[in-house]
Amino acid sequence: AQTVTQSQPEMSVQEAETVTLSCTYDTSESDYYLFWYKQPPSRQMILVIRQEAYKQQNATENRFSVNFQKAAKSFSLKISDSQLGDAAMYFCAYNNAGNMLTFGGGTRLMVKP
Amino acid sequence: GAVVSQHPSWVICKSGTSVKIECRSLDFQATTMFWYRQFPKQSLMLMATSNEGSKATYEQGVEKDKFLINHASLTLSTLTVTSAHPEDSSFYICSARDPDRVSYEQYFGPGTRLTVT
Repeated sequence: AQTVTQSQPEMSVQEAETVTLSCTYDTSESDYYLFWYKQPPSRQMILVIRQEAYKQQNATENRFSVNFQKAAKSFSLKISDSQLGDAAMYFCAYNNAGNMLTFGGGTRLMVKP
Repeated sequence: GAVVSQHPSWVICKSGTSVKIECRSLDFQATTMFWYRQFPKQSLMLMATSNEGSKATYEQGVEKDKFLINHASLTLSTLTVTSAHPEDSSFYICSARDPDRVSYEQYFGPGTRLTVT
């Protein structure tokens, strides 16, 4: 079974600074998709970024980018120019090109003004 | 696009009663929807996968008779918590996958907070 591990229960970043959230996963598949979801205090899950395993290029969405290391099974999220609105729970998720998403335990990000 | 609604957003019910939660895909047809449960400060736990026109697939440890799932149309799935007890109090989230997108992401509803008194 696939597992997703987020080793940082909490992270803190100063406003306007950069922070990196870690995620590792375990799979024997070669074709899969990885996601970062954000859950703010409203608890609405919001898709931040996605990465297809067959793509070598790291995905980027404005201030959010990933460092995808397929051999190491690592998928970290970098948030640049952190804003107060970035404060939330962040979940890393894996999908093996099927239906089911496997979530990591989450990282709570705090942004200090 | 890819909006999922959920109703109600919160509900309080008495122990022993049943409560129904609706999940709708508003701008796409979802052949598959998912139901999650989330405890405070924890990750999402998949309860079941709901397939339009067929029986839901429940995860291990989830009581089928307590959590009834119906996916009668391509835009609506319902979760009914039967004979609710205080331990069923939780945050329930649904999601749906847009089959026209190949990237397999799920779109989430805003969640339902259930409190059983």
